Amino acid sequence: DGGITQSPKYLFRKEGQNVTLSCEQNLNHDAMYWYRQDPGQGLRLIYYSQIVNDFQKGDIAEGYSVSREKKESFPLTVTSAQKNPTAFYLCASSPVWDSYEQYFGPGTRLTVT
Amino acid sequence: QQQVKQSPQSLIVQKGGISIINCAYENTAFDYFPWYQQFPGKGPALLIAIRPDVSEKKEGRFTISFNKSAKQFSLHIMDSQPGDSATYFCAARGGSQGNLIFGKGTKLSVKP
Repeated sequence: DGGITQSPKYLFRKEGQNVTLSCEQNLNHDAMYWYRQDPGQGLRLIYYSQIVNDFQKGDIAEGYSVSREKKESFPLTVTSAQKNPTAFYLCASSPVWDSYEQYFGPGTRLTVT
Repeated sequence: QQQVKQSPQSLIVQKGGISIINCAYENTAFDYFPWYQQFPGKGPALLIAIRPDVSEKKEGRFTISFNKSAKQFSLHIMDSQPGDSATYFCAARGGSQGNLIFGKGTKLSVKP
């Protein structure tokens, strides 16, 4: 059963702690993306990776970091430098970079208190 | 220049009615305009997409109308059903980094 998995679905952290969100895909897609979704703000691009071992900053990369050591995995770390980390985080993939069809995971809701 | 403006922010429609969501853009370099549907607690999924050289595309009850000269496009949902209740995002491909630019979303509620 192909798709994108994100874990966990809900995550709670104390302010000042780094936290890593998992994203795995078995679609054999080259490109992967991380978005942040806030109410009324749409989907904002945090980081993207066109191919394994490569990644680029998106529009709101400050306070976040990623790695792409394996084709199927693209974890996102929310660092303590992110001023407002509480949000719904979505991972996506596409067969190639700049495909208009992206496949999204179910998301992780992060709450930082 | 890189924005896609979407309206309305929320929409309530009676069952059987027509839902209409509008989007506008400025960047003429955008070359594909997809719509995504997101149910609560889920990730978005591609619904339908159109190229700028096509004025209309229909898939079942969902139709995209595209007005290239006005730089506007819209999603029409005919015979709206309660199961269509979701958040809809328009998008455009060809941002400054070659990525998709999303509108801010429209929350659609279809009342029985």
